[in-house]
Amino acid sequence: ETGVTQTPRHLVMGMTNKKSLKCEQHLGHNAMYWYKQSAKKPLELMFVYNFKEQTENNSVPSRFSPECPNSSHLFLHLHTLQPEDSALYLCASSPKRGQGPGYTFGSGTRLTVV
Amino acid sequence: AQTVTQSQPEMSVQEAETVTLSCTYDTSESNYYLFWYKQPPSRQMILVIRQEAYKQQNATENRFSVNFQKAAKSFSLKISDSQLGDTAMYFCAFMKSQGGSEKLVFGKGTKLTVNP
Repeated sequence: ETGVTQTPRHLVMGMTNKKSLKCEQHLGHNAMYWYKQSAKKPLELMFVYNFKEQTENNSVPSRFSPECPNSSHLFLHLHTLQPEDSALYLCASSPKRGQGPGYTFGSGTRLTVV
Repeated sequence: AQTVTQSQPEMSVQEAETVTLSCTYDTSESNYYLFWYKQPPSRQMILVIRQEAYKQQNATENRFSVNFQKAAKSFSLKISDSQLGDTAMYFCAFMKSQGGSEKLVFGKGTKLTVNP
């Protein structure tokens, strides 16, 4: 366990369902990230939150809706997804500027859209 | 925009031997950070080694070392005395500056298999 916990580990959902992915860290980090990992593609940054404020949305479709209620928790709300959204969704956190670079990742949620 | 290229989709090595994974990147920044991450079947992305661009000395972590060639924008990873537990996907990554909410840009990865 690295300090970043993601739940659920696996998720199968229909295209009309609504579900949420959860990420939690207790490392005292201030920035949190959602990445999408698809086969044979580089990890794609989706969203960045810094001190609970969204600082980047990498042209992600609106069927993905992030929420960051505090610096320790990050959610990704999913609705009306498409089969091509099936992927591994990784959450990461990083310390504030000046405390050294580097992310800590969770183990990901394997999402299958049917 | 920064890009990271890993030209070897798959590699294999015999246990106890040495293997080198390649990575090149493109940036106009003069100071930045480079990383190698390992992702075993457990899916956890684990930091293997980190290099700060302003440091000329190559980083080393036990059996893992890098060959950082700043002018050539090359950052290869050498794994010595390969072990079965080294079997994983290896990702090269770039970060523009130190911490905060700076984003990490990844290559497509190299799948490494260590054979007994």
